[in-house]
Amino acid sequence: AQTVTQSQPEMSVQEAETVTLSCTYDTSESDYYLFWYKQPPSRQMILVIRQEAYKQQNATENRFSVNFQKAAKSFSLKISDSQLGDAAMYFCAYRPFRDDKIIFGKGTRLHILP
Amino acid sequence: EAGVAQSPRYKIIEKRQSVAFWCNPISGHATLYWYQQILGQGPKLLIQFQNNGVVDDSQLPKDRFSAERLKGVDSTLKIQPAKLEDSAVYLCASSFIGQLQETQYFGPGTRLLVL
Repeated sequence: AQTVTQSQPEMSVQEAETVTLSCTYDTSESDYYLFWYKQPPSRQMILVIRQEAYKQQNATENRFSVNFQKAAKSFSLKISDSQLGDAAMYFCAYRPFRDDKIIFGKGTRLHILP
Repeated sequence: EAGVAQSPRYKIIEKRQSVAFWCNPISGHATLYWYQQILGQGPKLLIQFQNNGVVDDSQLPKDRFSAERLKGVDSTLKIQPAKLEDSAVYLCASSFIGQLQETQYFGPGTRLLVL
């Protein structure tokens, strides 16, 4: 069975500093997608970054970047220059290439300290 | 581009009552998903539609939950009768067939509290 594990239920980071959220997953597939979604308090979930498993290059979106280690089945999210607006639940998610079903981790709540 | 719309945003009911949620996906998105997100957990897929047909409803508790998407656009999710454990946020998402199909766009959710 495919699973996504986020081992950090909560994390805190000082404003303007860098934080890394961890995610591991389990799959026997070779082609798949990985995502990080952000869910601010009482607001809708938005896509932060996506990674195709066949691409070796790590995805980057402005202050957000990932460290994708396919062999280790690891997909961490790095947030640089943390801002107060980054405070949210962050969900790591996996989707097989040939399937629409997304499997989410339990989430990491990120607090930004002013 | 308008996002995924959902209503109501909040609903409080007593157990054994019925409730319905509505979702309007992004224009042109053929695939629509309903998720249940229990507090402290990630979203869990309940049902997936492709146009007006059901693709996957394997995790939908069919004895009490039902969903439809009659014209392939809007969708409703119904719970009848509700149980205490149905308290959750119900998220609707949609995706486009074609480029970036793998990306799902989420609505704001409906927060349900069953007393």
